[in-house]
Amino acid sequence: EIVVTQSPDTLSVSPGERATLSCRASQSVGTNLAWYQQKPGQAPRLLIYGAFTRATGIPARFSGGGSGTEFTLTISSLQPEDFVFYYCQQYDNHWTFGQGTKVEIK
Amino acid sequence: QVQLAESGGGVVQPGRSLRLSCPAPFSTHGMHWVRQAPGKGLEWVAVISFDGSNKYYLDSVKGRFTISRDNSKNTLYLQMNSLRPEDTAVYYCAKARTSSGYVAAFDYWGQGILVTVSS
Repeated sequence: EIVVTQSPDTLSVSPGERATLSCRASQSVGTNLAWYQQKPGQAPRLLIYGAFTRATGIPARFSGGGSGTEFTLTISSLQPEDFVFYYCQQYDNHWTFGQGTKVEIK
Repeated sequence: QVQLAESGGGVVQPGRSLRLSCPAPFSTHGMHWVRQAPGKGLEWVAVISFDGSNKYYLDSVKGRFTISRDNSKNTLYLQMNSLRPEDTAVYYCAKARTSSGYVAAFDYWGQGILVTVSS
């Protein structure tokens, strides 16, 4: 099983600033990695797939990067609605999620 | 935006069964079930290909859970038998971006349904 680890567990950032979230896979997944956003009480929403392709309707302030085992999600200028949970997922070999990163207001 | 609404959840005693349903108007795409225990992260549970010919399960649910679909009714199912307290979670159905369900992110999700296994 491919283990996916996110860091940090919690990221404290001021509104308007940039946030960078990290995701590491225990073995190479190529670019078969996705990022999801989850607001309290809601289902996850696909943000990024293929490591760097934004899903339909996702604002340009969200960008993904990386390949192999190291990946990042960058939010260029945090908006109030962005202070929620984020999960990465590898889908190269079955499917596993990271433990999540909470982005909170600093 | 397509809205999916799972049904069939509730409170059940250990060892009993439940069947979850999810409207799935995606007859050309694989479908998945994903769960989230209270206050925890996401855990993938099962996948079924567009035509139902291929299925795969999380090790801890193999032999207890069965994923199926009826494309004539546009519905996805998860039959859960021999339920355990550790199966307590919100269960989501999710659409894959490919027909097989493999090597694909999940682009549409249901709203989720709570299953509580407790005596």
